[in-house]
Amino acid sequence: DAKTTQPTSMDCAEGRAANLPCNHSTISGNEYVYWYRQIHSQGPQYIIHGLKNNETNEMASLIITEDRKSSTLILPHATLRDTAVYYCIVDNTNAGKSTFGDGTTLTVKP
Amino acid sequence: KAGVTQTPRYLIKTRGQQVTLSCSPISGHRSVSWYQQTPGQGLQFLFEYFSETQRNKGNFPGRFSGRQFSNSRSEMNVSTLELGDSALYLCASMLRGGTEAFFGQGTRLTVV
Repeated sequence: DAKTTQPTSMDCAEGRAANLPCNHSTISGNEYVYWYRQIHSQGPQYIIHGLKNNETNEMASLIITEDRKSSTLILPHATLRDTAVYYCIVDNTNAGKSTFGDGTTLTVKP
Repeated sequence: KAGVTQTPRYLIKTRGQQVTLSCSPISGHRSVSWYQQTPGQGLQFLFEYFSETQRNKGNFPGRFSGRQFSNSRSEMNVSTLELGDSALYLCASMLRGGTEAFFGQGTRLTVV
C-alpha cells in the first residue's frame, strides 16, 4: 500500500473551514484516497473517498490534485464536535486491510 | 439499521490467559476486518474475513487468530496474553470491496 504523510496537528476556529492536507506521492493508479476520523475512544468514522475527481458529501469535500500525489479534506464549517484525529489512507479496494497512520489531530476552538 | 456491534466492551485478563472477542457486522455486510489500536503503534490491521475465509492478514504473531461464521459474525482470539496486548480492538464491516468501512465501538482489553 502507498504511504501517506499528514501533519501531526492542526487548529481551526469554530465556524471556519478546516483544510486537512495529505501527501501520497507513491499512490498507484488504481488506489483510492479514503478519509476517516476518530473521536476520542470511539471507532473510526468514514468521511469520504475518491479516485481522481473531487468529491463532496454532506460531511466534507475531497480535493485531489491532478497528479494524485496529494489531497485535501475540507470541512466547510467546523464545529467543536469535529475535534478528532483525521486519517488519510490510500488503498486499491477499501480500508479493510490498510494500516492507518498517525493521522492529524484537528482541534476546533471556540 | 443496526451498526457494528462488538462484545464485550471492556475486558480484564491475566497474562498467559486467552481471550475471545466478538463482532457482529451490519446486516448484509460480508467482510469483517479487525484492528488493534495502542497509543504507541496507532491503528494496525490484524486480518480481514470475507465469506468465512481469511482474505488478508497483517503482521501479527500466530497468537492472534480469527474466524468468521456463515452469518458473517466474526470472532478473534488471542492466546497466551502478554501485557503488550492491552489495546482497543476494533472491528469494521464492509458491504463489498471498494466501499467504506463501518467501525464498531471496540473492545478495550487490559492485560494485567
